[in-house]
Amino acid sequence: DGGITQSPKYLFRKEGQNVTLSCEQNLNHDAMYWYRQDPGQGLRLIYYSQIVNDFQKGDIAEGYSVSREKKESFPLTVTSAQKNPTAFYLCASSREDSPLHFGNGTRLTVT
Amino acid sequence: GENVEQHPSTLSVQEGDSAVIKCTYSDSASNYFPWYKQELGKRPQLIIDIRSNVGEKKDQRIAVTLNKTAKHFSLHITETQPEDSAVYFCAARPWTTGKLTFGQGTILTVHP
Repeated sequence: DGGITQSPKYLFRKEGQNVTLSCEQNLNHDAMYWYRQDPGQGLRLIYYSQIVNDFQKGDIAEGYSVSREKKESFPLTVTSAQKNPTAFYLCASSREDSPLHFGNGTRLTVT
Repeated sequence: GENVEQHPSTLSVQEGDSAVIKCTYSDSASNYFPWYKQELGKRPQLIIDIRSNVGEKKDQRIAVTLNKTAKHFSLHITETQPEDSAVYFCAARPWTTGKLTFGQGTILTVHP
């Protein structure tokens, strides 16, 4: 979906470094979400935000942080406290009570 | 919080057969149930969704049924084609939280 841009597509980092994943949407959606996907597994919710300057923890928030200073942007920081950060990260957005639209994802590899 | 269980984890069918994937949810406040298809290395794409005030919804070869009493919903794909091969995810969202919880996914393989 061209309305949600995640960058970069691939990201490589050394263990112990913080890294920030970008997510921008021009769909004028109020809600934004971050999911993590591991091989052969479902999507697990990290954080979500239903309005600017407010966000809630999802099911696996430990080791991650987010901000929502603008409606269009919802960056995710993977901190060094995250034990197993290597994964496929998906950002999504939606209007209230409507389907989620996903970005193309960022594949993070930490060595 | 909401918990969504999805079965089977893998499903193999012959082209032209039907495929059925089932999900159960735990939170009675859930009122929105989408299904997503994800091809390898790509983002999930919505294929159909249903709300709790409806028992069944159909879109060409795809249909979804919802049983609120039993807290389960199912995806039915008829006349399967090789291009239907992908991972399918169900999800549920309670109106109280707005948080969408996904099932573990089903790998569907359609053999020509």
